[in-house]
Amino acid sequence: AQKITQTQPGMFVQEKEAVTLDCTYDTSDQSYGLFWYKQPSSGEMIFLIYQGSYDEQNATEGRYSLNFQKARKSANLVISASQLGDSAMYFCAMSRFNFGNEKLTFGTGTRLTIIP
Amino acid sequence: NAGVMQNPRHLVRRRGQEARLRCSPMKGHSHVYWYRQLPEEGLKFMVYLQKENIIDESGMPKERFSAEFPKEGPSILRIQQVVRGDSAAYFCASSPEDRGVVTQYFGPGTRLLVL
Repeated sequence: AQKITQTQPGMFVQEKEAVTLDCTYDTSDQSYGLFWYKQPSSGEMIFLIYQGSYDEQNATEGRYSLNFQKARKSANLVISASQLGDSAMYFCAMSRFNFGNEKLTFGTGTRLTIIP
Repeated sequence: NAGVMQNPRHLVRRRGQEARLRCSPMKGHSHVYWYRQLPEEGLKFMVYLQKENIIDESGMPKERFSAEFPKEGPSILRIQQVVRGDSAAYFCASSPEDRGVVTQYFGPGTRLLVL
């Protein structure tokens, strides 16, 4: 079975600062995928970034990067130069394989608030 | 290209009634997933379907819940005889046949409130 742990229920960060959201995972699979989704107050789920277990380089998408440390089983999300619009719930998730068509297992989320 | 569509966006039912939630996947996507989000919690997987087939229903409650994805039309999540504990946001996601595409794209969700 897979498990995702997000230990930060809430975070407050000053605008323009960088922020790191923690995510650790547990799995016995050798092949897996790691995801981050953003859920603003409007409720939709927005895909941010993906990392495959065999990817040697950390994934990046604009201001988002995923700090993947396989030995430590961590997949932290880093947001550079935070903006007010980044205030939202952030969910870390994983799939069983690092290719498509697999269910996702989600963590409990971190509520990020950006302070002007 | 339209995204994943879900309707209704909000649904109010009294205890004992039936709830029908609909999901139209993105164009070209043949895989549909349903997730449930209880208040202040993360999403929990319920069921994974392809056209006319249930692939994985390991997260689906054994009683009162059913799902289908017919050859034509949207996927339907059906909850019979709803109870207050069914109040939640229900999200549908879709992905294409191409297994090289790992991302699931989510719909806006249906918020179910059981009175």
